[in-house]
Amino acid sequence: DAGVTQSPTHLIKTRGQQVTLRCSPKSGHDTVSWYQQALGQGPQFIFQYYEEEERQRGNFPDRFSGHQFPNYSSELNVNALLLGDSALYLCASSLAGEGRAFFGQGTRLTVV
Amino acid sequence: EDQVTQSPEALRLQEGESSSLNCSYTVSGLRGLFWYRQDPGKGPEFLFTLYSAGEEKEKERLKATLTKKESFLHITAPKPEDSATYLCAVRGYGQNFVFGPGTRLSVLP
Repeated sequence: DAGVTQSPTHLIKTRGQQVTLRCSPKSGHDTVSWYQQALGQGPQFIFQYYEEEERQRGNFPDRFSGHQFPNYSSELNVNALLLGDSALYLCASSLAGEGRAFFGQGTRLTVV
Repeated sequence: EDQVTQSPEALRLQEGESSSLNCSYTVSGLRGLFWYRQDPGKGPEFLFTLYSAGEEKEKERLKATLTKKESFLHITAPKPEDSATYLCAVRGYGQNFVFGPGTRLSVLP
């Protein structure tokens, strides 16, 4: 059983560009959440998707947007990249109504 | 606003030297306190979920406990392979996780 998979694993972008990160949830899971983790800090919640809709959003600007597909996979889009967007982006999947979430290995985004 | 703090920020232990990590939290309507382990450059790996004060969970050399304001992760006779960052998170009415900054544990042989 494949766990949560994310792609790509590493990415380098130039300031002002746009980026799309992808996530496939653990088999059987229907809820996907995205987190941003800066170096040396804990993950910060970006947003959560359930039934193809954004269910909850953290304190992130509108430059961060997402999508969930009918097969429960998800994308995170970031527009107008800033140097401060450099971080490890984590996807977590869970089953609605259950507590624990499983994380992918993350995508390391570097903005230069 | 839900908040999580962890202490110490970093901890160095000799192999076999037991210790505890602390997680203090404030949350509106606790729907779970979670411990994760994270190795460098990787995603967090689930360890435990605790739901109510007095609850305890164990896994190998790790034991997690919960009170109304704190959780402790006790590490008994640690080995070098236990070296990692240990993250504590709470889930309240908001459904999302609120993470602490983590404790970086180094176990020296």
